[in-house]
Amino acid sequence: EDQVTQSPEALRLQEGESSSLNCSYTVSGLRGLFWYRQDPGKGPEFLFTLYSAGEEKEKERLKATLTKKESFLHITAPKPEDSATYLCAVQAPSSNTGKLIFGQGTTLQVKP
Amino acid sequence: DGGITQSPKYLFRKEGQNVTLSCEQNLNHDAMYWYRQDPGQGLRLIYYSQIVNDFQKGDIAEGYSVSREKKESFPLTVTSAQKNPTAFYLCASSRRRESYEQYFGPGTRLTVT
Repeated sequence: EDQVTQSPEALRLQEGESSSLNCSYTVSGLRGLFWYRQDPGKGPEFLFTLYSAGEEKEKERLKATLTKKESFLHITAPKPEDSATYLCAVQAPSSNTGKLIFGQGTTLQVKP
Repeated sequence: DGGITQSPKYLFRKEGQNVTLSCEQNLNHDAMYWYRQDPGQGLRLIYYSQIVNDFQKGDIAEGYSVSREKKESFPLTVTSAQKNPTAFYLCASSRRRESYEQYFGPGTRLTVT
């Protein structure tokens, strides 16, 4: 069964303290892995798409990487405004419909 | 500006009543999706549509219905048959062939008492 697991569930960092969020997936052939940011009470905001192992994408303080079994979202020198829930989702080849399988998310809190 | 709109932001209904949630997009996307989000759980797919006048059930379609009469619109009806309707509902859209990145609306929080 296709599955996505994110860890940790929650992460507290001091401003400037870099860290990584993990997204492990089990799918038989990955078509794409997606990272989203979600603020409380709002819809997810698209961040990155990764398609193949070794691929990396960056946006401001965020960098997403992909291996054959997992993806990492690295946050460098985070600021309080980076506080949010980060969602990971995968698309499997069995799905020609665009259906995404989501993890439960990692809630990040960055303290000033 | 292109985007996805959902209305209303908050919705309150009595048990036994059907309620329809609106979703409109002006991104010219072919595919549209409805997800449900509950605390501590990932987003779960309710229904999706790849083209006008066609839609398929997702993982948790029981108690829900949809229509896709226009490319821009994909309303979701939560029926009285849905046992636990209180949740945060999210609509999304994507280009059908070029990219499967889904873009989300702001969500509707439905409370049924």
